[in-house]
Amino acid sequence: DIVMTQTPLSSPVTLGQPASISCRSSQSLVHSDGNTYLSWLQQRPGQPPRLLIYKISNRFSGVPDRFSGSGAGTDFTLKISRVEAEDVGVYYCMQATQFPLTFGGGTKVEIK
Amino acid sequence: QVQLVESGGGVAQPGRSLTLSCAASGFTFSDYAIHWVRQPPGKGLEWVAVISYDGSNKYYVDSVKGRFSISRDNSKNTLYLQMDSLRTEDAAVYYCARGRTPLVLGPFDYLGQGALVAVSS
Repeated sequence: DIVMTQTPLSSPVTLGQPASISCRSSQSLVHSDGNTYLSWLQQRPGQPPRLLIYKISNRFSGVPDRFSGSGAGTDFTLKISRVEAEDVGVYYCMQATQFPLTFGGGTKVEIK
Repeated sequence: QVQLVESGGGVAQPGRSLTLSCAASGFTFSDYAIHWVRQPPGKGLEWVAVISYDGSNKYYVDSVKGRFSISRDNSKNTLYLQMDSLRTEDAAVYYCARGRTPLVLGPFDYLGQGALVAVSS
């Protein structure tokens, strides 16, 4: 199975300041079809997860442009340009290149 | 708008069975693969299973193979998860999630609100 490792576990951020989350996979996420199926999900307190980013850097419908994804191969990053109060929650990276689909352990974003 | 509504959760004893349903609306159900994802209380996410748009392909995480069965009824826009031989470690909120393509591989996008399954004697 592909192991997804996220850092940091927790990220206290000041409102209006940037935040960055890293995700590393145990093997390349490049699929034979040429796509890299790396997604980012957000889970606000008490809510189901919600897709933010798919295929490394594509923002899903309705996702604010302060969220951006980057990376390649085995190293990926989610950035929030200016953290807002509604961004508090746990963020997960997920790979869908190979079965079973696997998730990182999550990064908790909280306000300082 | 896309909606996925899970039902059928509850309390089951270890070794017993439970069936979850996921009713879909707001999109052409038969055009998309559908996943089950679970989250034990206070823990992270775990992918469980996926079924292709026509039901011909199914994949499962190893821990549920032989015990869980995913199926769909495209005439009813409904996805199912038959869970047999339940274990305490199966206790979780179960989410259904729409795949982004008709085929089994690839990510999902919309998730439902979840159904809570508790396993306890």
